[in-house]
Amino acid sequence: GGIITQTPKFLIGQEGQKLTLKCQQNFNHDTMYWYRQDSGKGLRLIYYSITENDLQKGDLSEGYDASREKKSSFSLTVTSAQKNEMAVFLCASSLQGNNQAPLFGEGTRLSVL
Amino acid sequence: GEQVEQRPPHLSVREGDSAVIICTYTDPNSYYFFWYKQEPGAGLQLLMKVFSSTEINEGQGFTVLLNKKDKQLSLNLTAAHPGDSAVYFCAVNPYQGGRALIFGTGTTVSVSP
Repeated sequence: GGIITQTPKFLIGQEGQKLTLKCQQNFNHDTMYWYRQDSGKGLRLIYYSITENDLQKGDLSEGYDASREKKSSFSLTVTSAQKNEMAVFLCASSLQGNNQAPLFGEGTRLSVL
Repeated sequence: GEQVEQRPPHLSVREGDSAVIICTYTDPNSYYFFWYKQEPGAGLQLLMKVFSSTEINEGQGFTVLLNKKDKQLSLNLTAAHPGDSAVYFCAVNPYQGGRALIFGTGTTVSVSP
């Protein structure tokens, strides 16, 4: 079986800092996603990528950059961390096709001091 | 574009009781629907994938109903047990506007002995 690995699991940053989150999958999936999870707001899409070097913006892309360096990895950068920000960032991957269910990693928990 | 509302936000039930979560979507052309379960500190685990062609879908300890006329998707936890305590999310793959799922806001289910 495959796995989606997100690093780090916990990230504490300072206001204004640039922070990078990493995601690796060994399912050989084509599409990868970054979602942000806030309490009471469900999951909101930040970026997704349908193949290596492809990037598609989601509704929440402002304040973030992403990079799909190779098929198995997708990284997300918070360009300037906001004071008191707390959220969970979830990475997912799937095969192409509307009927394919994304599989999720365990998340990176971000706190900004 | 597609929008998804999920209710209730919180649900407390006793062991052995049933629990129902309802999602309402807006696009009548949406065809693929998903239910995920998130346990504390974990990522999202796929419970069921539902296609528009099937109205009743049974899983282990739960039933998913799709009412296309009212554009509603429901998850019924039958005879809930403490292991069902988690946050549940519905998700819709939109007919138009990209290839990423749109999630409901989640329902926190607590099952007490």
